Amino acid sequence: GENVEQHPSTLSVQEGDSAVIKCTYSDSASNYFPWYKQELGKGPQLIIDIRSNVGEKKDQRIAVTLNKTAKHFSLHITETQPEDSAVYFCAATLYGQNFVFGPGTRLSVLP
Amino acid sequence: GAVVSQHPSWVICKSGTSVKIECRSLDFQATTMFWYRQFPKQSLMLMATSNEGSKATYEQGVEKDKFLINHASLTLSTLTVTSAHPEDSSFYICSASPTGVDYTFGSGTRLTVV
Repeated sequence: GENVEQHPSTLSVQEGDSAVIKCTYSDSASNYFPWYKQELGKGPQLIIDIRSNVGEKKDQRIAVTLNKTAKHFSLHITETQPEDSAVYFCAATLYGQNFVFGPGTRLSVLP
Repeated sequence: GAVVSQHPSWVICKSGTSVKIECRSLDFQATTMFWYRQFPKQSLMLMATSNEGSKATYEQGVEKDKFLINHASLTLSTLTVTSAHPEDSSFYICSASPTGVDYTFGSGTRLTVV
């Protein structure tokens, strides 16, 4: 089955700096890779996603890159703000089936 | 966008009692919903797949007689934790999708069994 690894487990950055979180997956058949932001006591919120036929996607300060050959994808947050502080989860799935989540990254943006 | 509502947001119950958690898709129909459990500082673990009009599919190690799932309509799935024990205390989250690919998560239910 699919296995998703995520690094780092914790990340602290200064406000205004960039943050990068990396995930690797094991099943080359996976074709959908979402990223979720989870704030304390709340459910995960989809912030960006990418499909296997695309190498990069950007939405304002957030971008995701995908390397299918290496089976890894990354979340990039630029100009970080204190409200970006949360736990971020990556996931991999084949057509929405059998979602497998990474272990999460706790991001702290220091003012 | 797609909205998934989960209720209650938190519940405290005594050991041995049962608790029901509801998951509703507010603006779309969902033939499939997923139930996850999340322990503190851990990732989401899929418990079961809820299928409208048929039996749920449980992940390995999840007791189907303890975690009863009912998906009686295209907008509602319920998870009942039967004979709850302190070790069942966790954050339970459901998800659903109008497209079958991009899933929206509910706000979660914090269950505390005392």
